[in-house]
Amino acid sequence: QKEVEQDPGPLSVPEGAIVSLNCTYSNSAFQYFMWYRQYSRKGPELLMYTYSSGNKEDGRFTAQVDKSSKYISLFIRDSQPSDSATYLCAMSAQTSYDKVIFGPGTSLSVIP
Amino acid sequence: NAGVTQTPKFQVLKTGQSMTLQCAQDMNHEYMSWYRQDPGMGLRLIHYSVGAGITDQGEVPNGYNVSRSTTEDFPLRLLSAAPSQTSVYFCASSSSGLHTDTQYFGPGTRLTVL
Repeated sequence: QKEVEQDPGPLSVPEGAIVSLNCTYSNSAFQYFMWYRQYSRKGPELLMYTYSSGNKEDGRFTAQVDKSSKYISLFIRDSQPSDSATYLCAMSAQTSYDKVIFGPGTSLSVIP
Repeated sequence: NAGVTQTPKFQVLKTGQSMTLQCAQDMNHEYMSWYRQDPGMGLRLIHYSVGAGITDQGEVPNGYNVSRSTTEDFPLRLLSAAPSQTSVYFCASSSSGLHTDTQYFGPGTRLTVL
């Protein structure tokens, strides 16, 4: 079993839809959770960062962590064609970047 | 600020050849790292450095060497290329731990080993 699992998609939604992207993990020690967005042929960029459980909102994006279920989600409201990208979840038990484990990513297409 | 830059963007090698992937950052970041990205595998850490003169191995270091003689540069050397090293390579940098600072990624180098 992989330490971090993510449905690879591709996920295709119409513009304006609410998108839900999810990751599951097996290591209960993870307490730092991140979502990265990666456009085609570009490097990943940090989208959301959450410590421990709970929700965090930033504009149209909401990150949700459920440590009891070992499950994290990223919600995108009013999705736009510019949201078309691959979304990587990442998590760590420690604050150093060399301990971060990345999910394989979910490819999202938002159709105008 | 150019951020994190990587050269070359694309490279094709034959099995057994060696080459160096270049990475530079102009943000005075102490922490730099190299990842490879393969389909279905996520980003995997190859090597990292917490400052000039200090390097350490990540999850998949075999077949790769690094050195850090300056804060700005962190080259990745492939000693004898193998088809299994066909991948997209990303360099990243940050000033401190993930709790306080973002890790910035370069645009990547697409490497094919024949």
